[in-house]
Amino acid sequence: DQQVKQNSPSLSVQEGRISILNCDYTNSMFDYFLWYKKYPAEGPTFLISISSIKDKNEDGRFTVFLNKSAKHLSLHIVPSQPGDSAVYFCAASEGNDMRFGAGTRLTVKP
Amino acid sequence: DTAVSQTPKYLVTQMGNDKSIKCEQNLGHDTMYWYKQDSKKFLKIMFSYNNKELIINETVPNRFSPKSPDKAHLNLHINSLELGDSAVYFCASSLSFPGLGDYNEQFFGPGTRLTVL
Repeated sequence: DQQVKQNSPSLSVQEGRISILNCDYTNSMFDYFLWYKKYPAEGPTFLISISSIKDKNEDGRFTVFLNKSAKHLSLHIVPSQPGDSAVYFCAASEGNDMRFGAGTRLTVKP
Repeated sequence: DTAVSQTPKYLVTQMGNDKSIKCEQNLGHDTMYWYKQDSKKFLKIMFSYNNKELIINETVPNRFSPKSPDKAHLNLHINSLELGDSAVYFCASSLSFPGLGDYNEQFFGPGTRLTVL
């Protein structure tokens, strides 16, 4: 069962512009949400997270927005840089259970 | 000074063999995990250990057996390998048992690509 979905397998953005990666979930019991970044041949690296009691968390160029009513999560990267090119995984957890989306490949063009 | 390491990185073996994948973390974390990345790139949790005790055991064939000799290690043993076991397996660790505040961030190893022929 795909409780966490990333419907866009890929996204291409020009350097300097905003990248918006989206994630939808079905389990309303999820209480913590995370974004991971993954380069080829490496494991996923934690990027940013948000608790279900918040609707926004910002860390430098990265901002995560949570819309609980829509069960929707998004990651904004501003400004996008070529080094941001990677696969981004959305994850959601409920206690000791964490589910991952299938990932979105972001390509930032110079 | 690798935080979470896995060995081997690549493993090619015949059907029916028994193999092990090792995982070590030097972060001082209490909790470790094994994930399987399937052909659709989904990461599915298999096992989770907290302080050497099993806390998550998803629906995984009993041919898979995790072993945690100490907090810093969580090894994955697979018996009677099958073609469907071919995948990338990721080990991860987190500071504490998930749910205890903002400590759910997991640090992942580089993955082990298992190919069963």
